[in-house]
Amino acid sequence: DIQMTQSPSSLSASVGDRVTITCRPSQSISSHLNWYQQKPGKAPKLLIYAASSLQGGVPSRFSGSGSGTEFTLTISSLQPEDFATYYCQQSYSTSCTFGQGTKLEIK
Amino acid sequence: EVQLVESGGGLVQPGGSLRLSCAASGFSFSSYSMNWVRQAPGKGLEWVSYISSSGSTIYYADSVKGRFTISRDNAKNSLYLQMNSLRGEDTAVYYCARGDDFWSGYSYVDYFAYWGQGTLVTVSS
Repeated sequence: DIQMTQSPSSLSASVGDRVTITCRPSQSISSHLNWYQQKPGKAPKLLIYAASSLQGGVPSRFSGSGSGTEFTLTISSLQPEDFATYYCQQSYSTSCTFGQGTKLEIK
Repeated sequence: EVQLVESGGGLVQPGGSLRLSCAASGFSFSSYSMNWVRQAPGKGLEWVSYISSSGSTIYYADSVKGRFTISRDNAKNSLYLQMNSLRGEDTAVYYCARGDDFWSGYSYVDYFAYWGQGTLVTVSS
């Protein structure tokens, strides 16, 4: 299976900050990388698909980039509703896998 | 509006069985692949199983292969997960998720745009 490593595992930031989360797969996955946001007790929500395409209805402060073996999710200016856990997911292989998650907390 | 509603979760003893259902509405169910994804308490997301739109192609995570069976009934707009020989490590919230794809210019990229609210399965004596 392709292993997905996210960094950092947790992050404290303030409203208005610019935040970047990194995801590194154990092998090249081209652009088969998606990002999800999950709040406590809720289902995950798709933010970015195919590495850089913004899902409809998702604010433009979210952006994704990268290809191959390194990807980033950037939130340009943190809003109070953005404090949540973020997961990357590879869909390159038939057994898709998720990163371990990055918990974004209020500083 | 796309809706996915899971049901069938509950408390089951180790070695027991449970069947989860996912009722779909608001889209042409027979046109989409479907997946089950689970999340153990306080842990991350783990993909469990995939079924193609027709049901002809199925994949499982190694952790459930031989114990779980995914199926669908397109006439009833429903997805199922039959779980046998349940273990404590199967305790989790189980989500159904619709499979969507995007043509990147040289390949299709799969992603999960819609998720149900989840159903909790607890395996304990």
